[in-house]
Amino acid sequence: QVQLQESGPGLVKPSETLSLSCSLSGASFSSGDYYWAWIRQPPGKGLEWIGTIYYNGITYYNPSLKSRVTISVDRSENQVSLKLTSVTATDTAVYYCARQGNSGRSFDYWGRGTLVTVSS
Amino acid sequence: DIQMTQSPSSMSASVGDRVTIACRASQGINQWLAWYQQKPGQAPKLLIYAASFLQSGVPSRFSGSGSGTDFTLIISSLQPEDFATYFCQQTHSFPRTFGGGTRVEIK
Repeated sequence: QVQLQESGPGLVKPSETLSLSCSLSGASFSSGDYYWAWIRQPPGKGLEWIGTIYYNGITYYNPSLKSRVTISVDRSENQVSLKLTSVTATDTAVYYCARQGNSGRSFDYWGRGTLVTVSS
Repeated sequence: DIQMTQSPSSMSASVGDRVTIACRASQGINQWLAWYQQKPGQAPKLLIYAASFLQSGVPSRFSGSGSGTDFTLIISSLQPEDFATYFCQQTHSFPRTFGGGTRVEIK
């Protein structure tokens, strides 16, 4: 059974870097079968795709965030990480990691999400 | 970017009602569309992929249709556990984009 678990600080100060990890069980990030994504949701609002990474390190980023985002895979830890620099209050959101499966390129497995608040 | 527009943004319905939610893409996406259900405090759950294919384990009262720019999610007989927010998402190209959501509330 595939399970994803996000972790990281719940509070980040403005202008600092948000860093999150997504741990995977029941599968391997090194498998070439899937892509892995970060998606966020501000409180009470809709979903925003942040970016996607393939096992070989190829990344795709949302143009609106591209200058501030880095997504990477740590194969030894079986984790995918997200770094978002120069955060502001508008980056306050629940951050999800998700698997893009073979079902029409949809997100078929999601983590529970982690709330990150940007505040001094 | 491909813009996804859902309608209505919210609706009230009763148990047993047939519910229809629309999603329109700003350009053609063939059948590269997914539907998700999200309940408060939970992650989204995949319902439909490739416009009309039911994800494993999802009740058959959910169905999807459409191609190109216009898509529909239908719940044939609304159940108490179906009160939630529904999102469409295009999987045609990057950047991936979602509709704004449709909140289905109890009448």
